[in-house]
Order: sequence, then structure tokens, then C-alpha cells
Amino acid sequence: AQSVTQLDSHVSVSEGTPVLLRCNYSSSYSPSLFWYVQHPNKGLQLLLKYTSAATLVKGINGFEAEFKKSETSFHLTKPSAHMSDAAEYFCVVSDRYTGTASKLTFGTGTRLQVTL
Amino acid sequence: KAGVTQTPRYLIKTRGQQVTLSCSPISGHRSVSWYQQTPGQGLQFLFEYFSETQRNKGNFPGRFSGRQFSNSRSEMNVSTLELGDSALYLCASAGDLNTEAFFGQGTRLTVV
Repeated sequence: AQSVTQLDSHVSVSEGTPVLLRCNYSSSYSPSLFWYVQHPNKGLQLLLKYTSAATLVKGINGFEAEFKKSETSFHLTKPSAHMSDAAEYFCVVSDRYTGTASKLTFGTGTRLQVTL
Repeated sequence: KAGVTQTPRYLIKTRGQQVTLSCSPISGHRSVSWYQQTPGQGLQFLFEYFSETQRNKGNFPGRFSGRQFSNSRSEMNVSTLELGDSALYLCASAGDLNTEAFFGQGTRLTVV
């Protein structure tokens, strides 16, 4: 069985300050991990993915995440927040034996608010 | 390259009716998955089709069914609609087993 826990349901930062969205995972097998973003009334867009290569993963729009097996964490960070980053962020795990694109398990989401 | 297309974008149905949602994957993608998103339950996996065969299934009642055609387009059907079926239904396509999933904008179903 696999699961993800997003530790914060809501995060508020000022524009230009760092962003940290926390995610812990649980997986019986070697996991693949993703961060997706959802803007209001939009579908989900992939920010970045970890599939057993480098543990520090760089994504789009300046986001990155580090896979830490010892801590079972996959936190999402960005050095400087922009107003356009305001959205809902989902940490996602899949079982690489089932397929990284199949049977995704989503966290409950973190709503990022960016203020002036 | 066109993205994942879901139709219709919005639907309003009455309890007891049935509904069919459509998803056209990215050209060349053979895997199509369906997810339900609600405020209470979040995003939950419904099922996945690969080359016209259901490969994985989530924990939803039999009222939820799907199929995939030879051109990889997929349909999802919900029979005997209940108020609790009101949700955003998202479709995702992928090229093969170990690539990422690309999502459509979803179909928002409201059951009244």
C-alpha cells in the first residue's frame, strides 16, 4: 500500500520569500513521486517527478524537491515566490511496479497563498 | 501537440440518470486513467485502461464503468446517479508504464 501526507493544508508566504511545501510518503515498493499543481478551474500540471535517478529534482517555474529516503520525505521548495504561484499543490506517489502513470495516490493538497 | 481533451466541460444531471464522459488522450498515448475530485474525499483513482483493457481499478461501486476504444479515446459511464457523484472528473493519459501522466481540464458533474 502507498500513501502520502501533506503536512500543511494551507501555506501563506509573501511575494519574493521562499516556499516550502511538505510531503511525507509511505510505499511498500520503490516509489515514484510527483508534485502537481492545480490552478482554479484548471486541470493538473506536473511540476516535477522523482523516479530513482538524482535525489534532487528540478522542475518547472523554479520549483525543486529533494527525495530523502531516510526521512520518507519529498518536500517542494522555491527560492522566491511569485503571485502566479498561488494555487493548490498535490504530492503524489505511484508504485513503479504498477507503472508511474497508473493508480496515482494523491495527498490532500496544500493551498499556497502569495501576498504582496 | 494537442493535450488531453475532456468533453463536456460541465454537466448537470438529475438523480437516477446516467452520464457518459469522454476523454481524448494525447496522440500516441495508450494509457488513460480516470480520477474523481471532491472537496471531501480529494482526488481518488477510478480506473485505468491500456490498449483497450482495464488494467487497474480503484475502490468505486460498479455504477462507475469505463471503456477504451482502438484509437485510445476513453469513456466513463456512471449509472443511477447519486448526489454524492457530484465532482470534477479528471482524465489523464500516459505513453507507457513508466512515464508521467498528463491531465485534462476535467468535466464538472453536478447531480441535482
